[in-house]
Amino acid sequence: LAKTTQPISMDSYEGQEVNITCSHNNIATNDYITWYQQFPSQGPRFIIQGYKTKVTNEVASLFIPADRKSSTLSLPRVSLSDTAVYYCLVGGRSSGNTPLVFGKGTRLSVIA
Amino acid sequence: AAGVIQSPRHLIKEKRETATLKCYPIPRHDTVYWYQQGPGQDPQFLISFYEKMQSDKGSIPDRFSAQQFSDYHSELNMSSLELGDSALYFCASRSGLAVPNEQFFGPGTRLTVL
Repeated sequence: LAKTTQPISMDSYEGQEVNITCSHNNIATNDYITWYQQFPSQGPRFIIQGYKTKVTNEVASLFIPADRKSSTLSLPRVSLSDTAVYYCLVGGRSSGNTPLVFGKGTRLSVIA
Repeated sequence: AAGVIQSPRHLIKEKRETATLKCYPIPRHDTVYWYQQGPGQDPQFLISFYEKMQSDKGSIPDRFSAQQFSDYHSELNMSSLELGDSALYFCASRSGLAVPNEQFFGPGTRLTVL
């Protein structure tokens, strides 16, 4: 499974755009890039997933360069409620049933 | 919408006792996963079941066992509890129709071993 590296923590003011970059230099051809969000004492929550280029949903955008060795999660106009730990995960067989392998996530603190 | 249900939400046990955690996946989800998250740690995969058969095994101690029943609910059985077993235990479920790697997590069971 591809190992990921992301910042341990980030701070942001409310209303700003936050970009969290994840490095995954040994990503395999069939690996997906998936991001999860976790609030204290709650289960992780799926945010977004991509394979290449850009993916956008109602919560975030995911930017993946052509070499796929990194990815950037973009959260537009964050609010206090976005304070959480964000995990970048890489992997997944085509069936998508593989267990999730969580590395060290990024603790985002949003301040007023 | 229905979510993953876990019970109990909190459990306090003494060392060397046993514990059973239950998980009820979202209806029509065919895969169940168990994760352990120690204090200040990241979630670690323990074991998973697909269509009632064990599919993957992670860092699950030999003292732990799990199974998935005919109604798709799953139970994690923990014996000879140790202080280090104190953690949040999450169950997650997934539908074969979902996008790859999209799992739905329950609220967790907080196990405290004294």
